[in-house]
Formats: sequence, C-alpha cells, structure tokens
Amino acid sequence: GAGVSQSPSNKVTEKGKDVELRCDPISGHTALYWYRQSLGQGLEFLIYFQGNSAPDKSGLPSDRFSAERTGGSVSTLTIQRTQQEDSAVYLCASSLSSVIDEQFFGPGTRLTVL
Amino acid sequence: KQEVTQIPAALSVPEGENLVLNCSFTDSAIYNLQWFRQDPGKGLTSLLLIQSSQREQTSGRLNASLDKSSGRSTLYIAASQPGDSATYLCAVIGSAGGTSYGKLTFGQGTILTVHP
Repeated sequence: GAGVSQSPSNKVTEKGKDVELRCDPISGHTALYWYRQSLGQGLEFLIYFQGNSAPDKSGLPSDRFSAERTGGSVSTLTIQRTQQEDSAVYLCASSLSSVIDEQFFGPGTRLTVL
Repeated sequence: KQEVTQIPAALSVPEGENLVLNCSFTDSAIYNLQWFRQDPGKGLTSLLLIQSSQREQTSGRLNASLDKSSGRSTLYIAASQPGDSATYLCAVIGSAGGTSYGKLTFGQGTILTVHP
C-alpha cells in the first residue's frame, strides 16, 4: 500500500514569505506527527495530531508555526514570515492509532529560506 | 527532559563483519523504542520497534535488544553488506508521566559505512 507522502519535495522561498507544507498519511492511520531535521539540531518533534485535534503543540518553535489537520487525514504545516533559521527538512509521520504504535515516515520536504 | 545518545557517531567496517550500534536514554518511562535507517537525502525507514515490555526484536539480519531499566538498547547487524551503509537512528517514545510523552525523541545517529 501507499506510504506517507509529502509535498512539495523541495521548496525555496525568500525570507519573510509564508510557506505551506503538506502531508498525506497512510490510509487509516489516525495519529500524525511533524518533525524537523536540521544540521545543528538533529531530529526534533514539532506537533502531534490524534484525529483532527492536536493534544501536543509543545514542539512548535514559535507562533509563526501552525498546523492543521482536516477530515482526520491530510495535514498542512504553515510557516509564516519565514526566517533563514527555518531552513531544514520537515518530516511527517503517521501511526495506526496511538502514540504506542510504530511510526512511518514520509520522504520529507526540504525547505530553503534565502 | 529525555535525552538519547548513540555511540559510536560513525563506524566504518569491511563487508561481512558483525557489528553493534549502541543507544542509551535517560528517562526509562517509555512506551517503546524504534530503530530507523536513513539514506542520504531520504526519509526514515523503520527497522524495528520494541515495546517496553519486550526484550528484543529480530528482522532478518537485524536484532535489537532493550534493557529499559538501564536505559539501553543495542542494534546488532549480522554479516554486514555495502547496502547497509546509512545513518542509523534510535528513538524512544515516552509514556504518560514521562518527559517525552507522545513524541519520538531521537539520538544523533550512527553513520555506518560498509566497504567491499
């Protein structure tokens, strides 16, 4: 079956612009996660959705970051007024039903802020 | 705050060797531990998941063990091949009441190179 998909695969933007990153989880998976991978910080958690609700937003680095999930499926991560330090690979993962299930990752979106 | 450490940071071995990658974590309140591999420019591929009640899991040439009380896991790769070259990441997910509930906390990874 299809895995987790993300789009775009690469995004280059100018400082100050807004960007939207999309994640399509594995069909039937109710838990969805966003992580960020950067050279200096390694892999870090951003946000977790269970269905359409986000019980844990603790990893979002600033109020410029937001995420939503509609219909219990697709999720969008939005970064407003992008800064150069936002440059990173943004990874999405999904798991079957809860935090104890195995997480499966998408290929990521590489964001470059000029 | 949960911290995950992987040793060694890099490993280079000739083809055919058996090898061990180490992972340690500071908070033993975990639901499970997951091992991943990451190829350059790619996402993460899940290799093995060990529930907190389990001691080990095996998949093909891979065997992962978990000692939750001491905060350690090892990934054993038998008869290594050049195709095993990748970065191997260990991650734990915290249980309720732990410091990393609901999210994977990753180590910095071990970069493995298997040369012919």
